[in-house]
Amino acid sequence: QVQLVESGGGVVQPGGSLRLSCAASGFIFSTFAMHWVRQAPGKGLEWVAFIRYDGSDKYYADSVNGRFTLSRDNSKNTLYLQMNSLRAEDTAVYYCAKDHGNWKYFDSWGQGTLVTVSS
Amino acid sequence: EIVLTQSPGTLSLSPGERATLSCRASQTVSSSYLAWYQQKPGQAPRLLIYGASSRATGIPDRFSGSGSGTDFTLTISRLEPEDFAVYYCQLYGSSPTWTFGQGTKVEIK
Repeated sequence: QVQLVESGGGVVQPGGSLRLSCAASGFIFSTFAMHWVRQAPGKGLEWVAFIRYDGSDKYYADSVNGRFTLSRDNSKNTLYLQMNSLRAEDTAVYYCAKDHGNWKYFDSWGQGTLVTVSS
Repeated sequence: EIVLTQSPGTLSLSPGERATLSCRASQTVSSSYLAWYQQKPGQAPRLLIYGASSRATGIPDRFSGSGSGTDFTLTISRLEPEDFAVYYCQLYGSSPTWTFGQGTKVEIK
């Protein structure tokens, strides 16, 4: 059974940094692309970032491009999201999501971790 | 950039009724790139439908998806109490990008 467990959320001041982690189990992590999707309080879903199964391709939403960096350690079955220069509008629950296998959909999601950017 | 518009914003129905949710794309898209998700309060989203009409693993057959071109529909044939939730459509686009609609809330009437 696929399990994705996010960690690393918390409260950070504007301009600060935070690193999120997503520990994966129940599937062959090294063979699947992964995503981060976020949801601001009371709002809808926003895709944030994508990483290919081997880390060779990465894509970012315009809203985070140049500030967020996605990486993965296939030996540890873990996905990371380094978030720098955080802004109030980055406040959201961040979900780690497994790609369906064809880059098109998200077929499993973690429970999410809350990031609050506030002074 | 393709925009997905969902309607209605809120659907008020009773258990046992049929729910019809719409997702309209701002330009023609491939139906194989369209998915639907369900999200209950305090929970992560769950994949319901992919490729516009294929049910994901474990999804009851009261959920069905249809459509092509710019207009897509999620239908819940008979609402069960656990179906009251927010539903999102999602599109895979070129670049690549992944875009969500703003959501439709199905609430108990």
